[in-house]
Amino acid sequence: GAVVSQHPSRVICKSGTSVKIECRSLDFQATTMFWYRQFPKKSLMLMATSNEGSKATYEQGVEKDKFLINHASLTLSTLTVTSAHPEDSSFYICSAATGEGGNEQFFGPGTRLTVL
Amino acid sequence: GESVGLHLPTLSVQEGDNSIINCAYSNSASDYFIWYKQESGKGPQFIIDIRSNMDKRQGQRVTVLLNKTVKHLSLQIAATQPGDSAVYFCAESLGFQKLVFGTGTRLLVSP
Repeated sequence: GAVVSQHPSRVICKSGTSVKIECRSLDFQATTMFWYRQFPKKSLMLMATSNEGSKATYEQGVEKDKFLINHASLTLSTLTVTSAHPEDSSFYICSAATGEGGNEQFFGPGTRLTVL
Repeated sequence: GESVGLHLPTLSVQEGDNSIINCAYSNSASDYFIWYKQESGKGPQFIIDIRSNMDKRQGQRVTVLLNKTVKHLSLQIAATQPGDSAVYFCAESLGFQKLVFGTGTRLLVSP
């Protein structure tokens, strides 16, 4: 149980285009989903926290107009990287939490974004 | 041995040895701590957690120790296997569910 999927697993796009990444909780309802970014050989950095049906809360330094987050249902959150540039190339990882006691987050497999 | 530099700190051990991975956390108010294992190109995988009202917790082949006095967390892996080779991250919880990850340690297990 507690499986989180991400789609696509990897994407290559041209500079200036927008890319949408989906995060789904497959066998549970996630009241909260988190989006992280990870550069090579670095740790995970939290970008934003999203609760179903409300606006995402972004961490300091993360541009909300560049990284659009939509948490439309209890099983789906999307991250759209708008007008992507090469410096946006990174590994994007989502996690989901049930909110039912405890603090455990279940992580997706990640999406490798390469912007040319 | 252990090395720190431009790359991730690395711990190299022989198969069958016990491994100890250390982590210094930042916030004395954190009340929940987790160790994750991350293999190349994959998301983090939960290993073991501990709450601040405990100082030790054991799982299968793994033990987490928490020293709140010096804000230190360690992960002990018994009888390390090649399949344990990965990057290990500690994470602390600031407020409900929000996680802050440590810098990570690469564990290399030689057969």
